[in-house]
Amino acid sequence: DAGVTQSPTHLIKTRGQQVTLRCSPKSGHDTVSWYQQALGQGPQFIFQYYEEEERQRGNFPDRFSGHQFPNYSSELNVNALLLGDSALYLCASSLWRGGDYPTYNEQFFGPGTRLTVL
Amino acid sequence: AQSVTQLGSHVSVSEGALVLLRCNYSSSVPPYLFWYVQYPNQGLQLLLKYTSAATLVKGINGFEAEFKKSETSFHLTKPSAHMSDAAEYFCAVSVGRGSTLGRLYFGRGTQLTVWP
Repeated sequence: DAGVTQSPTHLIKTRGQQVTLRCSPKSGHDTVSWYQQALGQGPQFIFQYYEEEERQRGNFPDRFSGHQFPNYSSELNVNALLLGDSALYLCASSLWRGGDYPTYNEQFFGPGTRLTVL
Repeated sequence: AQSVTQLGSHVSVSEGALVLLRCNYSSSVPPYLFWYVQYPNQGLQLLLKYTSAATLVKGINGFEAEFKKSETSFHLTKPSAHMSDAAEYFCAVSVGRGSTLGRLYFGRGTQLTVWP
């Protein structure tokens, strides 16, 4: 059973460029969340996708956008890159069980994509 | 607003000694609490979670944590450290319900060093 996979592993870009990061969720999962982890910091929530829509968003500018495909995989796009965007970008997947009394479902994290902006 | 404070960015222990990593949270509603471990150049692995069942939670690799509502704490412990425990540890809280369920707020992490 494959876990969460992310590509590429490493990426180097220059300021002003655009980047796309990809994530495939764990088999059976339908929800994908993205986090940014700057060096020496804890991960910060960027946004979460469910049923191909952005369900909730953290405090990140519009330069950060995403997409979820019918097969539940997801992309994170960052436009007009800044030096401060250099970080490890983590994808996490989970299975959403809605209803009146939703149950928390564990988020499984991928290995991350290391983005360096020069 | 939710927040997580991890006291001590670096903790060093000898192999075989007690490991204690501290975590305090702030939340206006009952939280779900988690401890994750991150090894170099890897993603996050869940050690254990508190989801309003037993307040003493046992996780993988001999770790456990106790939820203390009165102290708003969720400290991580292990009776005897092993060299393989050396890693970065993150405490996280999730307080969402319904459509906001699942967003995690992380602390800044504690780097655990284990000396032989």
